[in-house]
Amino acid sequence: GAGVSQSPSNKVTEKGKDVELRCDPISGHTALYWYRQSLGQGLEFLIYFQGNSAPDKSGLPSDRFSAERTGGSVSTLTIQRTQQEDSAVYLCASSLAGVSDEQFFGPGTRLTVL
Amino acid sequence: DQQVKQNSPSLSVQEGRISILNCDYTNSMFDYFLWYKKYPAEGPTFLISISSIKDKNEDGRFTVFLNKSAKHLSLHIVPSQPGDSAVYFCAASIYNQGGKLIFGQGTELSVKP
Repeated sequence: GAGVSQSPSNKVTEKGKDVELRCDPISGHTALYWYRQSLGQGLEFLIYFQGNSAPDKSGLPSDRFSAERTGGSVSTLTIQRTQQEDSAVYLCASSLAGVSDEQFFGPGTRLTVL
Repeated sequence: DQQVKQNSPSLSVQEGRISILNCDYTNSMFDYFLWYKKYPAEGPTFLISISSIKDKNEDGRFTVFLNKSAKHLSLHIVPSQPGDSAVYFCAASIYNQGGKLIFGQGTELSVKP
């Protein structure tokens, strides 16, 4: 795969349910980022992984949000007990080394919480 | 606290003319700035960037200008083409904070034939 891939592309869930969103970064990229874009808003930083370092979780909006990155590659963003305000497009990006080099974005997962 | 602001939600330009997209920031620690372009249902794609040690960076039809004293940057597209129609986001980062990007709200550019 040449680019960042995300699955699912669309997810509709009921309020209170848990959801998992997946990101496959570009092979060899050590840095991985999660952002979200709510309707009419810019992209909001959520979390950042760099190699084996502890992730930067400073953008996670609540403790219902968590993310992990297994084996330095695939990442999963989990939202527990979803709320309607969690509805957004969740975007994943990866970069070669982090530290202000170009980030390549996936197509995003559109999450709708009913 | 919106650290990066794009105050124009939309811009309409005639094909062949110049498009100027503006962006303001409040955090003087930002030292790297980027512009991304986004089409509907796709992720943003990198367009051009500028380090705070420069005041201009040019790549083909795209030029980014940085005015650090005013905490302002702008993207110039000359000449504008219909295929440039998209949402443009400016973003800023702090070098030693791992490259996480702080984005503006975006400006939707429409280039009319």
